[in-house]
Amino acid sequence: EPEVTQTPSHQVTQMGQEVILRCVPISNHLYFYWYRQILGQKVEFLVSFYNNEISEKSEIFDDQFSVERPDGSNFTLKIRSTKLEDSAMYFCASRERRGEPQHFGDGTRLSIL
Amino acid sequence: DAKTTQPPSMDCAEGRAANLPCNHSTISGNEYVYWYRQIHSQGPQYIIHGLKNNETNEMASLIITEDRKSSTLILPHATLRDTAVYYCIVGEDNFNKFYFGSGTKLNVKP
Repeated sequence: EPEVTQTPSHQVTQMGQEVILRCVPISNHLYFYWYRQILGQKVEFLVSFYNNEISEKSEIFDDQFSVERPDGSNFTLKIRSTKLEDSAMYFCASRERRGEPQHFGDGTRLSIL
Repeated sequence: DAKTTQPPSMDCAEGRAANLPCNHSTISGNEYVYWYRQIHSQGPQYIIHGLKNNETNEMASLIITEDRKSSTLILPHATLRDTAVYYCIVGEDNFNKFYFGSGTKLNVKP
């Protein structure tokens, strides 16, 4: 069964450094999402992406965050200057079309030192 | 914010049916009900979804009340591997961002 894949599984970065989290959504999917989950807390929506542009973003997704779909397969989340509070699990999800469920990857654990 | 209310935890004996309730009294006409589960810190795993009618797949059944204000996820024969946090999510048909609540921690016991 096709699945969403995320790399790396664990990323350790110094505070203030840039980090790029990578996702390969399911191939025929058109809608893409990033979520994060701080340890012990709820899964939080960050951003949705459709037709090569951001369709919606949350308050968390400030100017330090950006997303890109550089080619036909990858979907990336960039954090420009990481802070300690960016430490979390980051989940990518994709969806084929409206009404269909989102399918999630297994996440990247981001640790900011 | 999440538009759903779920009990924080439930226990179920292995081999028995697990019935997980969810209230979504403010659901609107074009919103689907989705169920996911999360085992430890893995990515949320899709289980089932529906709009108005009851649904069944190889994992579970979804019963939606006629007024659509609540639903029940049924795992017909729970196993120890079904121990997880189960999330009921109401999502609109459009870009469909998900708001996750705290979910129900299902403990399946031998």
